[in-house]
Amino acid sequence: DARVTQTPRHKVTEMGQEVTMRCQPILGHNTVFWYRQTMMQGLELLAYFRNRAPLDDSGMPKDRFSAEMPDATLATLKIQPSEPRDSAVYFCASGLPLLLDKSAGRTYEQYFGPGTRLTVT
Amino acid sequence: QKEVEQNSGPLSVPEGAIASLNCTYSDRGSQSFFWYRQYSGKSPELIMFIYSNGDKEDGRFTAQLNKASQYVSLLIRDSQPSDSATYLCAVKNTGFQKLVFGTGTRLLVSP
Repeated sequence: DARVTQTPRHKVTEMGQEVTMRCQPILGHNTVFWYRQTMMQGLELLAYFRNRAPLDDSGMPKDRFSAEMPDATLATLKIQPSEPRDSAVYFCASGLPLLLDKSAGRTYEQYFGPGTRLTVT
Repeated sequence: QKEVEQNSGPLSVPEGAIASLNCTYSDRGSQSFFWYRQYSGKSPELIMFIYSNGDKEDGRFTAQLNKASQYVSLLIRDSQPSDSATYLCAVKNTGFQKLVFGTGTRLLVSP
């Protein structure tokens, strides 16, 4: 069955190291979202792409985070250098547009991947 | 003030009862509203969405939206222990495709 895949599922690294997380969206979904979830902040949007183009990355610390979508089957989120405060679960979601009326605006049904649990020591 | 607010809970209900989960939002122009369920250690999964005032029913779940009061709720009828999870409210704001999530309400359904 179609699902979003993420690798790695778990990552433990030392402060200062580079971390790369990968996401394979569901085939045919043209929108990809990156989220970070912590106990304190909950689920926060970091960036999202439509048709591989970045539309909003305002939630992402630009000095250390970068997100790309080199092709339709792969999205990446990179942290360099990593810090202990980056420890969180990172989710990727891919989306299909919902066919709603104009009052709802452009809205996506988002399917979440299993997440990457990152621990930075 | 947070954009989307939920009581963190836990909300405890006995099996078979109605669970009522509430969410308020600050952006009066918000257009569509989503409820996600997240089991411990798992990813969020969409339960239902609503964008018109009133009620929307899907099986045991009913979403209720009141835009004038900036309030959206989720009712779970005949609650089951398998409904025990954290329920996340998400709001799509005016002009954006992104969702803003609340921090979730933990629901515990006891047998």
